Amino acid sequence: NAGVMQNPRHLVRRRGQEARLRCSPMKGHSHVYWYRQLPEEGLKFMVYLQKENIIDESGMPKERFSAEFPKEGPSILRIQQVVRGDSAAYFCASSPNSPYSNQPQHFGDGTRLSIL
Amino acid sequence: DQQVKQNSPSLSVQEGRISILNCDYTNSMFDYFLWYKKYPAEGPTFLISISSIKDKNEDGRFTVFLNKSAKHLSLHIVPSQPGDSAVYFCAASGSSGGSNYKLTFGKGTLLTVNP
Repeated sequence: NAGVMQNPRHLVRRRGQEARLRCSPMKGHSHVYWYRQLPEEGLKFMVYLQKENIIDESGMPKERFSAEFPKEGPSILRIQQVVRGDSAAYFCASSPNSPYSNQPQHFGDGTRLSIL
Repeated sequence: DQQVKQNSPSLSVQEGRISILNCDYTNSMFDYFLWYKKYPAEGPTFLISISSIKDKNEDGRFTVFLNKSAKHLSLHIVPSQPGDSAVYFCAASGSSGGSNYKLTFGKGTLLTVNP
């Protein structure tokens, strides 16, 4: 999974702090997706972004969560005022062409967020 | 409401034998299905996919079968190897409304291949 780079791999925050998770897609990929995995669960879609555009954020909690994919630099998933329930593994994926052409998404190794 | 179900949390198989992992789905709008393999502390790795216009796709030791009428797919691994021991996720997406980027995952099946 070296293609999609996520950092940090582990992040510990206290309740009320902010968490910033970064994702650099595979070279040549312009579509980025974020998923969240709670313990004993499958991955759940959060948001789909292209450069400078949020295409679909229907899986994102309405409050405290935001995502961006700027023209330069990695995609950022930002969680403000974290709570215990935000503890999870957050995975980023990318794909090369239009996602409407049935291309598989390739995943990074995730960021494991722990809230104290 | 779980739209993709993997009813077996775990499966144990002897090396050299066939591993069969099953997946059921409820959303008839799904038309693209994928299997991912995941090791602990790593991200999911894409294994194989199938479009709903096919009923079988094969890649080396891995074959995926799709039964649309039963809304069921399965992943066959033969022969199984100890390195195949991992969690296997079934995922699906649908082209309706242009949202086939949104993968819906099952909860996964832990496959253990014993030497």
